[in-house]
Amino acid sequence: GESVGLHLPTLSVQEGDNSIINCAYSNSASDYFIWYKQESGKGPQFIIDIRSNMDKRQGQRVTVLLNKTVKHLSLQIAATQPGDSAVYFCAENMGSNSGYALNFGKGTSLLVTP
Amino acid sequence: KAGVTQTPRYLIKTRGQQVTLSCSPISGHRSVSWYQQTPGQGLQFLFEYFSETQRNKGNFPGRFSGRQFSNSRSEMNVSTLELGDSALYLCASSLWAGDQETQYFGPGTRLLVL
Repeated sequence: GESVGLHLPTLSVQEGDNSIINCAYSNSASDYFIWYKQESGKGPQFIIDIRSNMDKRQGQRVTVLLNKTVKHLSLQIAATQPGDSAVYFCAENMGSNSGYALNFGKGTSLLVTP
Repeated sequence: KAGVTQTPRYLIKTRGQQVTLSCSPISGHRSVSWYQQTPGQGLQFLFEYFSETQRNKGNFPGRFSGRQFSNSRSEMNVSTLELGDSALYLCASSLWAGDQETQYFGPGTRLLVL
């Protein structure tokens, strides 16, 4: 079946560096994508989202890029901080009837070292 | 504004029993979704409710069911528990879904089946 997958299960970066987390999706009909951050013992926390009519969207220190040609999504975190250490998930909405049915990737563990 | 709340936070049951989990969405939110998170399968969509109606459903057996009340609060029930049902069950809510508003997650209920 179609699924969202992550290229790297773990990523270690130094504090202050930029981080890039990648995600591949296979459902060309998906039109809404979300990045979540999950810290230990907590539920996923919304970071940023993007719709298929956009290629790029920026937030505070984060940027999401969408390449529909190769079905690729990436999350860029600028000036990574220790508090950014967490597991990051990309998700595509596969819901019908204007609703939700998020299909999550397996996640990438980001470790920020001082 | 209070976030999504889930009760109980932790639960221990034995095989064959049934369990009911509760979710209170963010005030004003009308869409409530449920997800199961396990180390092996990751985050998997269970179902979504909107205005007391199930709008989307994932690929889980009929032992998993849910409902939504008129105040948007939601419950999910798992009957005839199996060891493999041990997981973190997450609830997420959104304002409405006409334009794919952001989903916000609760802290989850951790269920252990012995």
